[in-house]
Amino acid sequence: AQSVTQLGSHVSVSEGALVLLRCNYSSSVPPYLFWYVQYPNQGLQLLLKYTSAATLVKGINGFEAEFKKSETSFHLTKPSAHMSDAAEYFCAVSDRLANFNKFYFGSGTKLNVKP
Amino acid sequence: DTEVTQTPKHLVMGMTNKKSLKCEQHMGHRAMYWYKQKAKKPPELMFVYSYEKLSINESVPSRFSPECPNSSLLNLHLHALQPEDSALYLCASSQESQAPNEQYFGPGTRLTVT
Repeated sequence: AQSVTQLGSHVSVSEGALVLLRCNYSSSVPPYLFWYVQYPNQGLQLLLKYTSAATLVKGINGFEAEFKKSETSFHLTKPSAHMSDAAEYFCAVSDRLANFNKFYFGSGTKLNVKP
Repeated sequence: DTEVTQTPKHLVMGMTNKKSLKCEQHMGHRAMYWYKQKAKKPPELMFVYSYEKLSINESVPSRFSPECPNSSLLNLHLHALQPEDSALYLCASSQESQAPNEQYFGPGTRLTVT
């Protein structure tokens, strides 16, 4: 089974500062990778995904993520945090070799943005 | 339209009640999912339907009974639930059931079992 690690259950940044949320996967075959955002009492919204094209992926709301095979990482970044970015962020992976599109989610990182 | 709708938004039920959660999508997706999410935890997969057939059951107790009447609709029938079943229940859909199809999530139903 896949394993996903999100380092830092809580991250706090000032408005306008760089956002960096970390995600590492465990499999030897690079999986498909996704970042989702969840606002309180809402469902998950897809921010971006990596399948097998460019390693730098741009998503919605100014977020981007870079796939680094050597580091088994897919960290999420945003150059300048906005108050509206405060939410829970989940990294998810999907096994390339599996028959079904089962997602394995990381434990989540709660982003707090200070004024 | 990338919307998945879920009803009701909130549900309070007793342990002897029978209730149902409903999920609908009109994106032509052929795979639909039920997840359970406890507070401060990631979603946990419960069931996967592919082309209206149950493909994955993650060893979910029988008091949860899924149903897929057609390609746009997914139900979750609840019976004799326990207080520990209180959670946010999320529905999702994807174009197909194989990777790397991204999943689109609904807003969820907040279930409280008393």
